[in-house]
Amino acid sequence: AQSVTQLGSHVSVSEGALVLLRCNYSSSVPPYLFWYVQYPNQGLQLLLKYTSAATLVKGINGFEAEFKKSETSFHLTKPSAHMSDAAEYFCAVGQGAQKLVFGQGTRLTINP
Amino acid sequence: DSGVTQTPKHLITATGQRVTLRCSPRSGDLSVYWYQQSLDQGLQFLIQYYNGEERAKGNILERFSAQQFPDLHSELNLSSLELGDSALYFCASSVAGLAGPRSEQFFGPGTRLTVL
Repeated sequence: AQSVTQLGSHVSVSEGALVLLRCNYSSSVPPYLFWYVQYPNQGLQLLLKYTSAATLVKGINGFEAEFKKSETSFHLTKPSAHMSDAAEYFCAVGQGAQKLVFGQGTRLTINP
Repeated sequence: DSGVTQTPKHLITATGQRVTLRCSPRSGDLSVYWYQQSLDQGLQFLIQYYNGEERAKGNILERFSAQQFPDLHSELNLSSLELGDSALYFCASSVAGLAGPRSEQFFGPGTRLTVL
């Protein structure tokens, strides 16, 4: 069964600094990987997804993620943090043909 | 706005009671997924329906049941409620269930259930 581990339940960066949120997956088959963002009191919004095309995936709001098979990683990055990026971020792997398996989430705080 | 609607937004009830959560998928989406988000368990997949038929089951308790109707809206029924059932319940939809991992799941705003 696939699984996802997000390293760091809470990440804090300064405005304008690099954002790096870590995600490692476990999968016996080529994975489909996703990053979702959840703003306070809202549902989840897809940031980007990897579906075996390009290994560097660009998403919305300036985020991107790189799929590294050798490291079983799919880390999320953004060159320059903005205050509006403060939210909870979830990495997920598509399991079988149906469900998403989510990581525990990483809460991102942006310091002014 | 994802196009997925969920009602009600908030629900407060007592232990032992039964509630129904409703979800309307995006226009054209055939698959509906239910997830539970709680502080201790995180985001957990409960169940998936595709065009009216159950496709996959996750960590769904026997006290919980769901169905998808001919108009494709779905309902999640929670009975004999316990304090531990307090959580945020999300519905998501996608175009196709069989190609699930390729298909983006669009999430609704959730229903916050509080069991007192």
